[in-house]
Amino acid sequence: GQNIDQPTEMTATEGAIVQINCTYQTSGFNGLFWYQQHAGEAPTFLSYNVLDGLEEKGRFSSFLSRSKGYSYLLLKELQMKDSASYLCAPRGGNKLTFGTGTQLKVEL
Amino acid sequence: GAVVSQHPSRVICKSGTSVKIECRSLDFQATTMFWYRQFPKQSLMLMATSNEGSKATYEQGVEKDKFLINHASLTLSTLTVTSAHPEDSSFYICSARDKDREGSDTQYFGPGTRLTVL
Repeated sequence: GQNIDQPTEMTATEGAIVQINCTYQTSGFNGLFWYQQHAGEAPTFLSYNVLDGLEEKGRFSSFLSRSKGYSYLLLKELQMKDSASYLCAPRGGNKLTFGTGTQLKVEL
Repeated sequence: GAVVSQHPSRVICKSGTSVKIECRSLDFQATTMFWYRQFPKQSLMLMATSNEGSKATYEQGVEKDKFLINHASLTLSTLTVTSAHPEDSSFYICSARDKDREGSDTQYFGPGTRLTVL
């Protein structure tokens, strides 16, 4: 089965760092994706982890611990345009399963 | 690279009519495309997996006779919502996986189609 847990909402200040956590229980797990979705738009790909550890990509980093069923997305130097929903999506077999997302609000 | 388009972006139709939504991979070939539905403030729910040249695989609870999927080429999949009803109003999003980058398995999403059934 699939079970994904991430906070519903977070608020952070422009220029700060924020960490969005995700825990999952996924049958046949073989990788985890993070997507960004602005209201009324389709998700855009941010990162992919298949091995344990940290993947860094500019202002965004993602961490995975397979044994703990845990991942986080780290956003640095927050900008107002980063206000969006962030979706944790573990893959089981051939399919992605999406959490309900974390709505991030960046304030001045 | 890895651009996926959807058409139309927005459609309003009367109850009982059928609506076709197209999903195209513009700069890559996709043996596999996925169709999702998203209701307001909810997560994306996978409806079906579309494989080029074969029948789609539907998720539990999704009626295959109501949501017809055709994946006739490596760059085009269509979803037809037949006899649409107001409860079918939703945001429909397709994604495609790059055939030549199967190892990465990244899905690239189209911009979505907002369907409103009156």
